[in-house]
Amino acid sequence: GDSVTQMEGPVTLSEEAFLTINCTYTATGYPSLFWYVQYPGEGLQLLLKATKADDKGSNKGFEATYRKETTSFHLEKGSVQVSDSAVYFCALAYNTNAGKSTFGDGTTLTVKP
Amino acid sequence: GAVVSQHPSRVICKSGTSVKIECRSLDFQATTMFWYRQFPKKSLMLMATSNEGSKATYEQGVEKDKFLINHASLTLSTLTVTSAHPEDSSFYICSIKGVGYTFGSGTRLTVV
Repeated sequence: GDSVTQMEGPVTLSEEAFLTINCTYTATGYPSLFWYVQYPGEGLQLLLKATKADDKGSNKGFEATYRKETTSFHLEKGSVQVSDSAVYFCALAYNTNAGKSTFGDGTTLTVKP
Repeated sequence: GAVVSQHPSRVICKSGTSVKIECRSLDFQATTMFWYRQFPKKSLMLMATSNEGSKATYEQGVEKDKFLINHASLTLSTLTVTSAHPEDSSFYICSIKGVGYTFGSGTRLTVV
């Protein structure tokens, strides 16, 4: 079956540091890949997505590239802010069954001033 | 994009009582919805697939009699946690098939 493996956290960075959160996946087909963000006490918000190999998703300074050869979708940001502190989830889903997702375990990011 | 509304956002109930959580599609006819559960500091696990006008499909290990799902209309699916116990305390969240990847805002259930 499908699975998503995320870099274990928690991750603590200073403001303006470079962020990488690793994500690899195992899939039986050709899924779309996603990063979601969850702020304390809130639901999930879609951060970015990529629907096919070599696509790059980007939003709010975050980027991730769909790498089929390494089955990866690592999240990066060049300069984090305190407001980026949240839990980040990597996920996969198939377009034919949109809404049904397989999630990684989540990575907690804390950014200190 | 479609908007998913979930209610209530937080609920505290006594052990042994039942709690109903609603997931509404505000601008999309949702024939299928998904219910997830998130344990503290853990990921989201799919509990069940809710189908309009028919029985829900439950994932392995999820008790059907414990977590009752009703999808009586194209805009509403409900999850009822029956005879709740403290171990049912969790964050429950829904999504809708076919509307991109929008999730409800979630419901924090605390059973005391």
